[in-house]
Amino acid sequence: DSGVTQTPKHLITATGQRVTLRCSPRSGDLSVYWYQQSLDQGLQFLIQYYNGEERAKGNILERFSAQQFPDLHSELNLSSLELGDSALYFCASSVRAGPANTGELFFGEGSRLTVL
Amino acid sequence: AQKITQTQPGMFVQEKEAVTLDCTYDTSDPSYGLFWYKQPSSGEMIFLIYQGSYDQQNATEGRYSLNFQKARKSANLVISASQLGDSAMYFCAMREITQGAQKLVFGQGTRLTINP
Repeated sequence: DSGVTQTPKHLITATGQRVTLRCSPRSGDLSVYWYQQSLDQGLQFLIQYYNGEERAKGNILERFSAQQFPDLHSELNLSSLELGDSALYFCASSVRAGPANTGELFFGEGSRLTVL
Repeated sequence: AQKITQTQPGMFVQEKEAVTLDCTYDTSDPSYGLFWYKQPSSGEMIFLIYQGSYDQQNATEGRYSLNFQKARKSANLVISASQLGDSAMYFCAMREITQGAQKLVFGQGTRLTINP
């Protein structure tokens, strides 16, 4: 158990709909990352938040948005869903910066989104 | 440009044999970190091993070792005495720092199948 909690684990919805994926990082971790993994693909970085602020942005579509709340949990909002958005969405967290920080990410179990 | 390259989409190995999974990387940053993660069919991402660019010795963690060849920019994962439970996707990743924010960049993965 990595300590990162993601909900829901599975989600089936229709094209054009909107969904929200939720992530609670490990206790004490300030950084939250979102990754997308399409079928048999590597993980594509979407966005990173640190202590409530956006720190880095990857290949995130304009239809997608995220935020990190004061209690450090994060939500990824996916709107106007298309068939190609079907994927496994991972949230990960990392320890705060410091000499012991290798950059290792601790992943949640993922939210599997199926768009029909 | 691909920053992490895993050239083996799939590998098949007999149980108890050793296996090497290839990973090459591209960076101009003198300080970087390399990671290997395992993703079993259940989907979760499991951290295996880490190698820092300034580490003098190759990293080892139980049956896992990292063959780090800095001049060749390669960071191959070696699994000794493979077991059926090692069947999974394996991802190589590199820590990347952009405008003060760090994230992991992943390769496309290698699907390892251990045959009894």
